[in-house]
Amino acid sequence: DVKVTQSSRYLVKRTGEKVFLECVQDMDHENMFWYRQDPGLGLRLIYFSYDVKMKEKGDIPEGYSVSREKKERFSLILESASTNQTSMYLCASRPTSSTDTQYFGPGTRLTVL
Amino acid sequence: GDSVTQMEGPVTLSEEAFLTINCTYTATGYPSLFWYVQYPGEGLQLLLKATKADDKGSNKGFEATYRKETTSFHLEKGSVQVSDSAVYFCALSHSGNTGKLIFGQGTTLQVKP
Repeated sequence: DVKVTQSSRYLVKRTGEKVFLECVQDMDHENMFWYRQDPGLGLRLIYFSYDVKMKEKGDIPEGYSVSREKKERFSLILESASTNQTSMYLCASRPTSSTDTQYFGPGTRLTVL
Repeated sequence: GDSVTQMEGPVTLSEEAFLTINCTYTATGYPSLFWYVQYPGEGLQLLLKATKADDKGSNKGFEATYRKETTSFHLEKGSVQVSDSAVYFCALSHSGNTGKLIFGQGTTLQVKP
């Protein structure tokens, strides 16, 4: 079974803090994704990576950065957290073919106070 | 750009009722279409998919047919159970975008005994 794990299920941070969200997959997938999920908006893509050290902006990259130093790990960084970044963050991975399924982690519920 | 529109929720049904959740899309070319399900407190998991026109995806009693003429991918189940209560997301993946998923806003289904 494919497994995608995320470092925390729940996280509470203060405005202005630097926040790291970690995602690890165990299936040697090339592509990895970070989404945020908000009620009524579905999932929106923040960043994705199609190979080690490669990254591309998604639809809502502002206020975020990412790092992919190893194939299995994809980190999302909030340089200076703000209250409007309170959300559910979901990581996913996928092999290369565009028809292949994305596999999702359980999500991190981030609250910024 | 590409987009997915789902019927608004929440949808409340009694056990054994018939379910339809409407999904329409706008996309260039021939995207792959997906239904993902999110059970309470969990990440998303693939429910079914279809990769070309007239394909029918099916899983766990759920079905959806890729209709290019109406740009639709409606989800149906003949007899829902309480355990089907979840949020359902319709999504498309377009090969021109490194396979990133574009999601609808999600539809919450609540099944009452």
